Amino acid sequence: DAGVIQSPRHEVTEMGQEVTLRCKPISGHDYLFWYRQTMMRGLELLIYFNNNVPIDDSGMPEDRFSAKMPNASFSTLKIQPSEPRDSAVYFCASSFREFTGELFFGEGSRLTVL
Amino acid sequence: AQSVAQPEDQVNVAEGNPLTVKCTYSVSGNPYLFWYVQYPNRGLQFLLKYITGDNLVKGSYGFEAEFNKSQTSFHLKKPSALVSDSALYFCAVRDTNAGKSTFGDGTTLTVKP
Repeated sequence: DAGVIQSPRHEVTEMGQEVTLRCKPISGHDYLFWYRQTMMRGLELLIYFNNNVPIDDSGMPEDRFSAKMPNASFSTLKIQPSEPRDSAVYFCASSFREFTGELFFGEGSRLTVL
Repeated sequence: AQSVAQPEDQVNVAEGNPLTVKCTYSVSGNPYLFWYVQYPNRGLQFLLKYITGDNLVKGSYGFEAEFNKSQTSFHLKKPSALVSDSALYFCAVRDTNAGKSTFGDGTTLTVKP
């Protein structure tokens, strides 16, 4: 298996622009997680899905952030409009068990908002 | 609520010496504990986990961790460190009352030749 695939790996945009990050989880994994990593705040869980349904979005910072999972093999995280404080590395991870399964992370999408 | 503490931001050891990276946790139910490693500009990689059973868990690359319920700890260890072990290490916990993992702030391990 190719692992969790994220795109783009790097994104530089200007404040106010829309940003869409994409994720393809490992086939057969029922859980998908979006994390954000920054030096100041560490690793934060934004949202996670089970069988394409959002379970917990309490970590989504504000209404500018939205996430979808239209099918088992694809998820998006959208920021509209983007702000400089959104600059971070965004990770997607998938897992095949809710409690006991380890997370498989993608390589991340590094977002820079100017 | 669940939480994880990694009390050391940085651990420095000499190559060939044993290493320990500390982790303590707090959960309301039974803990499921994980260690992950992150190399520069890469995603996190799973090292090992404790779910139940033997308190000493062995994982990838010669790492092991010991679950201590009374001290609520899950320290990561390796008998002989390699320079290539230098990376950022994260401890994470899930409990039976929450489907999501909580990660510690990470510990940077530096192994010097």
